[in-house]
Amino acid sequence: EVPLVESGGDLVQPGGSLRLSCAGSGFTFTSYWMTWVRQAPGRGLEWVASIKEDGSDKYYVDSVKGRFTISRDNTKNSLYLQMNSLRVEDTAVYYCARGTLTIFGVALYWGQGTLVIVSS
Amino acid sequence: QSALTQEASVSGTVGQKVTLSCSGNSNNIGSYAVGWYQQISHGAPKTVMFGNSLPSGIPDRFSASQSGTTASLTISGLQPEDEADYYCSTWDYSLSAQVFGGGTKLTVL
Repeated sequence: EVPLVESGGDLVQPGGSLRLSCAGSGFTFTSYWMTWVRQAPGRGLEWVASIKEDGSDKYYVDSVKGRFTISRDNTKNSLYLQMNSLRVEDTAVYYCARGTLTIFGVALYWGQGTLVIVSS
Repeated sequence: QSALTQEASVSGTVGQKVTLSCSGNSNNIGSYAVGWYQQISHGAPKTVMFGNSLPSGIPDRFSASQSGTTASLTISGLQPEDEADYYCSTWDYSLSAQVFGGGTKLTVL
């Protein structure tokens, strides 16, 4: 297994902000795309955002564009998700996932998730 | 509505072979390899296949195939511990997004 540990989930009011972190270890962090995937209560998996190995390319699901920012610090083997203007519908468990060396757009390892609750 | 289409539920008995399908289009499955993810009781997802490759630690009763715009996950010799939700996913170049199927609930009878 490849440890990925998320943190930063919390209860936040609508319109608020939160920053999620994901610490990777046991692999060469700079060699992999990294991704955030979320799962709302009782729902399926939903891709949120992905970032290229060197951080030069970033992609987002339409529903978070302009509100969320994915970033990484390769010196700290860490991935981040800055979430602004949070909405009730952003309530979910957020998973950090690592890509593969051979297949684009597929996650190989997952973290345990961190819970974000947006509620007044 | 998910970009990839999966059966809502599939069931099988212990020892049986079951196949889960994932249907997309030329922009996603028709162009990229597919990942399959297992989620037991809403725990963290686990990758059981990526393309035609088996991740370390995943039993070889799991296999995958892809043809045209459809991908399949086959479990040969179904075990009780295989009961879970299974999701397929791949990249979609027209959306510039990773897309998921809605998930298939596999029940082992």
